[in-house]
Amino acid sequence: DADVTQTPRNRITKTGKRIMLECSQTKGHDRMYWYRQDPGLGLRLIYYSFDVKDINKGEISDGYSVSRQAQAKFSLSLESAIPNQTALYFCATGDSISYEQYFGPGTRLTVT
Amino acid sequence: AQSVAQPEDQVNVAEGNPLTVKCTYSVSGNPYLFWYVQYPNRGLQFLLKYITGDNLVKGSYGFEAEFNKSQTSFHLKKPSALVSDSALYFCAVRDPRNTPLVFGKGTRLSVIA
Repeated sequence: DADVTQTPRNRITKTGKRIMLECSQTKGHDRMYWYRQDPGLGLRLIYYSFDVKDINKGEISDGYSVSRQAQAKFSLSLESAIPNQTALYFCATGDSISYEQYFGPGTRLTVT
Repeated sequence: AQSVAQPEDQVNVAEGNPLTVKCTYSVSGNPYLFWYVQYPNRGLQFLLKYITGDNLVKGSYGFEAEFNKSQTSFHLKKPSALVSDSALYFCAVRDPRNTPLVFGKGTRLSVIA
């Protein structure tokens, strides 16, 4: 987990607030991903990026935006948070050789 | 589009008994299949994968999985369960075109002493 770090680890915010979740990696991977985890729904892909100039929407991108500031950094923003965005958010990197994905420890976000 | 089904939300097994966590998939082309484990308050950890080759793949912590193309399944197994295996297990698939992993909904494994 130390190779992929996420900040903050926990966040409580109010409806309508803008919030940014940050992800950094030291694995040197080009690919980075944002997922959210909800009980009973598994992990669902929000956005992904295959390099600094590449951003792609995932299954549930509405209400979210991302920024790939550098190879090692991939941020997720909620422009105007709503309660159903309460979830556990995971950042991951992807190894193009082994095909594996490596996950950060997660950010628990609560929107009241 | 690819998809994964984990038909059991919960699997209970006694310590020392064999365990199986089921996974079926749908994908265009040859599947790349993965199992991940999530312990409480932790991120997902890679267990094992099938890309090509032998249908029986071995992974971390004594786990193994068998790829069955005709049944489109990739069940996770362990011959003798430990209490410390209790966790949430996710099956995932991607196709050869380098798309992101698609995850199942997860199966909670509870190993009872």
